[in-house]
Amino acid sequence: GQQVMQIPQYQHVQEGEDFTTYCNSSTTLSNIQWYKQRPGGHPVFLIQLVKSGEVKKQKRLTFQFGEAKKNSSLHITATQTTDVGTYFCAGPQDSWGKLQFGAGTQVVVTP
Amino acid sequence: DTGVSQNPRHKITKRGQNVTFRCDPISEHNRLYWYRQTLGQGPEFLTYFQNEAQLEKSRLLSDRFSAERPKGSFSTLEIQRTEQGDSAMYLCASSLESLAVTGELFFGEGSRLTVL
Repeated sequence: GQQVMQIPQYQHVQEGEDFTTYCNSSTTLSNIQWYKQRPGGHPVFLIQLVKSGEVKKQKRLTFQFGEAKKNSSLHITATQTTDVGTYFCAGPQDSWGKLQFGAGTQVVVTP
Repeated sequence: DTGVSQNPRHKITKRGQNVTFRCDPISEHNRLYWYRQTLGQGPEFLTYFQNEAQLEKSRLLSDRFSAERPKGSFSTLEIQRTEQGDSAMYLCASSLESLAVTGELFFGEGSRLTVL
């Protein structure tokens, strides 16, 4: 079956630094979604990418969907303590759109 | 509408007991999902409904798990004869699906189950 993998599993970042987290699918995706889960919280939707090669920005966050629609990335610039949390990507697993989540990248920010 | 509501938020039970969780989705959403999440892992799919129809149940689930969504509104997830391995956060999410694009999921705050 389809696998959604994320790397790195853990990211320790100094405040102000940039970093990138990656999401890879074993199959082509019709779209991909990103979620953020704060410690002790629930996943919250960030963005959805649909088109091949699509790039979307949300302030300091830049999301990209690969040309082959099998991978995606999230790049955060000038990391802040508010960026702490776990970032998940999720892709539809079947024709009904059932979402499968990756294991997430846990981000820790030190001042 | 204040979003997806789940209750109870916390449940501690003894092994072998039955537990039931309830989820009230956003009212106009036609899709409802149940996921399970353990520490350090992503949400793991359990089952989902399109209106009142249960579209799929994960093969990872044993027969001890059952979910319903009568009349396509709220949903319940029942776990019978609980085991310690069932301890997890049970997340409910709803979405408004169209034919064109997968809708974003709106998650509830979850129901945390601890089986002693």
